[in-house]
Amino acid sequence: GAVVSQHPSRVICKSGTSVKIECRSLDFQATTMFWYRQFPKKSLMLMATSNEGSKATYEQGVEKDKFLINHASLTLSTLTVTSAHPEDSSFYICSAQDMTGDISNQPQHFGDGTRLSIL
Amino acid sequence: GDSVTQMEGPVTLSEEAFLTINCTYTATGYPSLFWYVQYPGEGLQLLLKATKADDKGSNKGFEATYRKETTSFHLEKGSVQVSDSAVYFCALSRGNYQLIWGAGTKLIIKP
Repeated sequence: GAVVSQHPSRVICKSGTSVKIECRSLDFQATTMFWYRQFPKKSLMLMATSNEGSKATYEQGVEKDKFLINHASLTLSTLTVTSAHPEDSSFYICSAQDMTGDISNQPQHFGDGTRLSIL
Repeated sequence: GDSVTQMEGPVTLSEEAFLTINCTYTATGYPSLFWYVQYPGEGLQLLLKATKADDKGSNKGFEATYRKETTSFHLEKGSVQVSDSAVYFCALSRGNYQLIWGAGTKLIIKP
């Protein structure tokens, strides 16, 4: 089945550091990738949708300059949390979807998530 | 707008018990429906899906039937195991690739 690899799985760093999270589709071309943030005991909050070769579409309330998203190829998207602060600590999850063909029943395939802790 | 409502958790059951996690939705048209599972410390995995009315999705002993008349997609399993302990999310998609998520239901299975 479709596999999405997300790296790193856990990051602990000091306040003010920028952190990059990678999301790769291993055996399919992901024309669209999604970045989510999950708060404790809460559902997933969609942060942004990225399409290969174009700018990401951010959800309302998500700071574009804080959460930089790059989707330069059909198999790789990156999320960079710039100048991270303790309030950015969270579980970040990416997903990828092959948008070719009938997208109405194409599931999203998820990475294992990245636990980000800012001290 | 579109929405998904799941039963609140946690749901605590003994091993080999019968499981039902309720999910109802509000949407125009004919959305596709999904159940995802999230094991502790991991991302989400697609558990099963159904794309049209009366379809039954099934996987790993779990089943859910797309009921348009009751706008429901309840998750069931006949005999749960400790390894089924996880958070289960119901979601819908209307073909514009964005998923609308339920709040998730935590399932705890005791030996």
